[in-house]
Amino acid sequence: KQEVTQIPAALSVPEGENLVLNCSFTDSAIYNLQWFRQDPGKGLTSLLLIQSSQREQTSGRLNASLDKSSGRSTLYIAASQPGDSATYLCVRASKIIFGSGTRLSIRP
Amino acid sequence: DVKVTQSSRYLVKRTGEKVFLECVQDMDHENMFWYRQDPGLGLRLIYFSYDVKMKEKGDIPEGYSVSREKKERFSLILESASTNQTSMYLCASSPGWSSGGFTGELFFGEGSRLTVL
Repeated sequence: KQEVTQIPAALSVPEGENLVLNCSFTDSAIYNLQWFRQDPGKGLTSLLLIQSSQREQTSGRLNASLDKSSGRSTLYIAASQPGDSATYLCVRASKIIFGSGTRLSIRP
Repeated sequence: DVKVTQSSRYLVKRTGEKVFLECVQDMDHENMFWYRQDPGLGLRLIYFSYDVKMKEKGDIPEGYSVSREKKERFSLILESASTNQTSMYLCASSPGWSSGGFTGELFFGEGSRLTVL
């Protein structure tokens, strides 16, 4: 069964720290990989989309990388802020499989 | 910006009622999706549509049906609501489809939280 796994399931860090969220998938035949954030009770907001031909994408303090050979994507958040507190999900675009999410809490 | 609009943010219905959840996108996307999200279970695909009047079952289609009469609108129907359908429902759209899978970026609505009493 094709799966997408996100580690850790929850993370709490002090404000200002750099952090990495991980997403791994079992099938390397990937098209795109997309990272989302979700605030409580809200929909999903797209953060970054990495096309299958790309290795990384950057937007502000966020950087996402994709390594198809190892079946992994990472989301790097620099200089974390309390407003970054949310649940982060990755989705593998082929067959649209979502990871279970990482709940991030930034302590002021 | 792509906008995906779900008609109702919060609904409360009685067991046995027929429920319609509406979703409209304004970017001429071919693909539209309905998911439900439950704590501990993540997002699960109910149905998707890759063209007008076309639909495909997702992972959990039981108890649901869908309608796509126009390209911009995708409706989720609960013929007879039950308490186990209490959930957050999320609609998404995306452009493009290639052989072998989905290639376009996903855009989500704000979600519809349904409570069935």
